[in-house]
Amino acid sequence: AQSVTQLGSHVSVSEGALVLLRCNYSSSVPPYLFWYVQYPNQGLQLLLKYTTGATLVKGINGFEAEFKKSETSFHLTKPSAHMSDAAEYFCAVSDGNAGNMLTFGGGTRLMVKP
Amino acid sequence: NAGVTQTPKFQVLKTGQSMTLQCAQDMNHNSMYWYRQDPGMGLRLIYYSASEGTTDKGEVPNGYNVSRLNKREFSLRLESAAPSQTSVYFCASSVLSGGWETQYFGPGTRLLVL
Repeated sequence: AQSVTQLGSHVSVSEGALVLLRCNYSSSVPPYLFWYVQYPNQGLQLLLKYTTGATLVKGINGFEAEFKKSETSFHLTKPSAHMSDAAEYFCAVSDGNAGNMLTFGGGTRLMVKP
Repeated sequence: NAGVTQTPKFQVLKTGQSMTLQCAQDMNHNSMYWYRQDPGMGLRLIYYSASEGTTDKGEVPNGYNVSRLNKREFSLRLESAAPSQTSVYFCASSVLSGGWETQYFGPGTRLLVL
């Protein structure tokens, strides 16, 4: 069984500040990890994913995430927040079984203050 | 190329009524999925279809049925709606990319059951 925990259902940062959204997972096999973003009244859009290889993954819109096996973490960061980054962010894990089923965390709503 | 489309966008039902949520994708993807999104719980998989003609239960299938009509279309049916099925429903499809399948989401259907 897999699970994903996102610490902090709401995170507020000032424009230009560092964004750090936390994600911890549990998986009995090497995980495949994803971050999705959801803008208001829209579907989910893939930000980035880790499957194999380099543990630091770069995604769209200046976001990146680092897979740390020893800490079972896959935190999402961005050096400088923009107002347009305000959205809900979801971390998800897959163990590669049939159907490529994703297990999602509860989501973190990012608010960016001017 | 419209991606993943869902109809309707909004629906209000009375308890006991039935309805079908429609999903279509024009990306020639083999796999399709139905999720529900509830506050603080992320997305939970209801059913998925790994290929045309096959369907399998996800995490929360009770109260739902699905049909993979053809490669493009995957519908979700509520036979007798209950207030607990008030949610936002997302359809997704996936493609093999870089050795792993990446899921693409539709804009969602907001359902209120009174």
